[in-house]
Amino acid sequence: DAGVIQSPRHEVTEMGQEVTLRCKPISGHDYLFWYRQTMMRGLELLIYFNNNVPIDDSGMPEDRFSAKMPNASFSTLKIQPSEPRDSAVYFCASRAGNQPQHFGDGTRLSIL
Amino acid sequence: AQSVTQLGSHVSVSEGALVLLRCNYSSSVPPYLFWYVQYPNQGLQLLLKYTTGATLVKGINGFEAEFKKSETSFHLTKPSAHMSDAAEYFCAVSDHGGTASKLTFGTGTRLQVTL
Repeated sequence: DAGVIQSPRHEVTEMGQEVTLRCKPISGHDYLFWYRQTMMRGLELLIYFNNNVPIDDSGMPEDRFSAKMPNASFSTLKIQPSEPRDSAVYFCASRAGNQPQHFGDGTRLSIL
Repeated sequence: AQSVTQLGSHVSVSEGALVLLRCNYSSSVPPYLFWYVQYPNQGLQLLLKYTTGATLVKGINGFEAEFKKSETSFHLTKPSAHMSDAAEYFCAVSDHGGTASKLTFGTGTRLQVTL
C-alpha cells in the first residue's frame, strides 16, 4: 500500500519567494495533519483537516502560512512570503478515524 | 490540556543491553498513548499504542511499553538493543475523544547503540 506521499522532498529557495508543499494522504483516510519539525521547537502541529475541512489551525505561525485541502486526496501548505526562520522539515500525516497517524517522509525546506 | 515529558534527550546503550526510554504524560481525560520512531531523513513510524485494556503493550521490533496510571507513565523498553535501533523516539498523547483528537508529542529521545 502506498503511504503518505509528500513533494518535494527537498526545497531550497530565497527569502521572499512563495513555497508550496504538497501532500497525498493514504486513500480512505479522513484526517490530514501538517507538522513542522525544528531542533529548537521539536514537532509542532500546524493544522489538521477532517473530511477536507480545517478543524484546528491554531498552530499556524502567522498569516504567511496557509493550508488547503481541495479534495480527499490532496493538500497543500503554502508560505508566502518565505523567511529564513521558516526553514524546517515539514511533515504531513493522515489517519482513518481513531486509528494512529501515518507520516510521510517530510519536505526539508531551506530558506536562504 | 495534554502534555508529554520525555526524560533524557540522549540515551546511549551497548548492543545487547536493556533499552529504557522514559515518558510521563499529563491528560485531563483517559489518554491514548503512542510511541513513534524516526530514522534519519524519514517520517515517524508507529512502534506501539495504548488505548484501553491491557496495560502492557507490545509493538514492532521487540519493543514494549507499560501504561501506569498511578505514575502517569508510559516508558518504552526493549530487553536487548540492536544497532538498528539507533534512532529518535517520540512519545505522544491523544485526547481521543471529541473533535480535538490530535497528538501532542514529546521532545524526543535520541537512542545511540554502541558496540
